[in-house]
Amino acid sequence: DAGVIQSPRHEVTEMGQEVTLRCKPISGHNSLFWYRQTMMRGLELLIYFNNNVPIDDSGMPEDRFSAKMPNASFSTLKIQPSEPRDSAVYFCASSSLGGTEAFFGQGTRLTVV
Amino acid sequence: GESVGLHLPTLSVQEGDNSIINCAYSNSASDYFIWYKQESGKGPQFIIDIRSNMDKRQGQRVTVLLNKTVKHLSLQIAATQPGDSAVYFCAENRPQGAQKLVFGQGTRLTINP
Repeated sequence: DAGVIQSPRHEVTEMGQEVTLRCKPISGHNSLFWYRQTMMRGLELLIYFNNNVPIDDSGMPEDRFSAKMPNASFSTLKIQPSEPRDSAVYFCASSSLGGTEAFFGQGTRLTVV
Repeated sequence: GESVGLHLPTLSVQEGDNSIINCAYSNSASDYFIWYKQESGKGPQFIIDIRSNMDKRQGQRVTVLLNKTVKHLSLQIAATQPGDSAVYFCAENRPQGAQKLVFGQGTRLTINP
């Protein structure tokens, strides 16, 4: 298995634009997580899904952020409209349901100018 | 609010020496703890974990110690190598169904030749 795959690896966009980050979890994993990493706040859990259903989105910073998981092999994190303070590295991770180890993707480095 | 924190943001050790990275947590309900290693430009990678009913667990060159009385976690790396240079995160799992990992801020470990 290639592991958790995220795209794009880097994204530079202008303030106000819509940004969509994509994630393909490890095949067979039932849980998917979206994290944001910044120097100031470290790794923050934004939202996680079990069996494609959002379980806890309390970490989503505001309504500009939304996440979907239309099927077991794909998830998106969308920011609309984007702002400079959204600049960060966004990680997707997956694990088996009830499992303990979360496997992380390589991350998407987002820069909003 | 409750959080997982680290005592030191940076640590430098000589190659071949042992290193100890510390972590404090505040949520007494957390039942599971993980140490992750993050190299530059990569996502966090699982190192070792420990459940709350244990106080010590050993892996290859790594040992995790858990002191629930003082809510303290440590990662010991034996005979450090240049490849051990990275940022190390402790994470606690708060029992809310699937794992909801809360990460500390991280400690940057530098191995000096």
